[in-house]
This record gives sequence, structure tokens and C-alpha cells, in this order.
Amino acid sequence: DVKVTQSSRYLVKRTGEKVFLECVQDMDHENMFWYRQDPGLGLRLIYFSYDVKMKEKGDIPEGYSVSREKKERFSLILESASTNQTSMYLCASRVLHRELFFGEGSRLTVL
Amino acid sequence: EDQVTQSPEALRLQEGESSSLNCSYTVSGLRGLFWYRQDPGKGPEFLFTLYSAGEEKEKERLKATLTKKESFLHITAPKPEDSATYLCARENSGGSNYKLTFGKGTLLTVNP
Repeated sequence: DVKVTQSSRYLVKRTGEKVFLECVQDMDHENMFWYRQDPGLGLRLIYFSYDVKMKEKGDIPEGYSVSREKKERFSLILESASTNQTSMYLCASRVLHRELFFGEGSRLTVL
Repeated sequence: EDQVTQSPEALRLQEGESSSLNCSYTVSGLRGLFWYRQDPGKGPEFLFTLYSAGEEKEKERLKATLTKKESFLHITAPKPEDSATYLCARENSGGSNYKLTFGKGTLLTVNP
């Protein structure tokens, strides 16, 4: 079975904290993605990576950074968390032009 | 800007009452149209990919179809376990073609 694993299902952080969301895939996919999902706004792309150490901004990169040091791992970093970053974060991976496989999601609350 | 618009936003059906969900998209440069199912609190689960107008794919009570400007997800004789949010997404054939652009989804509720 293909698998995308997100390290934390639920996190509660305080404003200004640095937050790391980790994602690992076991399918040897080149492409990995971070989306956030909010009611009424749908899925919005934050960043994606098309190869190790390569990254591109998505539609809403402000306040986020990413790291991809190994092919199977893609991390999302919130340098200084703010309340408007409270959301469901979804990691996904794919082979180019094929379907996305999603993780179970990480629900982040910033107080 | 690439747009994907899903309608209706929410749909309530009685068990056995067939219906269709719509996904319309800006026409230029479509490489693929994807359908996903998402249960509350979980990540989306892949259902279908459609690549060209006239293409159809089926899985159990679901059938996805594609025209030149929209896709339909037909649900035949739905059951309560079909209740979920259904998402569609497009992939472009040019430019930044690594990513999928998603619609906001249709929340389907099937009552027993």
C-alpha cells in the first residue's frame, strides 16, 4: 500500500513559536506538496518540491518555508506561528502527471 | 488564472436517489481532471483521472465523465456511506504543470 505519513495529527502551538510539520512518503515520488485546507477556501498550495533540494512557491507561501533534504521527506516550517495559520495542513506526493496521494493531515491550532 | 468551480456546494440525497456533481474549469491547457473523495478529518482519497473529452470512468456507484469545459461525477443509487466531500482538480498542460488546482468541493449527504 502506498503511504504518505504526516508526523503529527494534532498540534497546539502559541503565537510566535517555530513549528515543524514533517511528511514522509514511501513511494519514491519525485514531487511533494504542502497544501492547507480551510472551510470555504478549499485546498490551497503553499509550496511544492519537484526534486531533492528543489522547491517552488505555491499560491500562498507567505509565512512558510520548506525543506527537502531527502527524496522521501518534505518538511513545512512556520518560522513564527500566527493565529491565521490555524488550519488543516495536508502533505501529498505524486509522480508527474499522475494522481496525488495525500497524508491524513495535521490539524494545527495557534493560540 | 486557472479556475475550478464545483457545484452545488452542498447536496442532500435520500438513499437510492441518483444525482450528479459538476466541476467546470477554464478551458485552456487541460492535461488532466482529477476527482477525490474526502471524509471529515482525513486527507483526500483519489477516485479518477480523466484526460480527454468523452472519456468516462466508473467505480461502484460512481461514474466520472469529461467534456471540453466540465466534468460530472454521477452517483447512482447512493448509500449513506457515500456521504463525503467530493473534490475535483485540474492539471495544466503547460507552465507550472507540477501542481493540481482544486475546486472547493461538494459536500454530499446521503440520508438513509
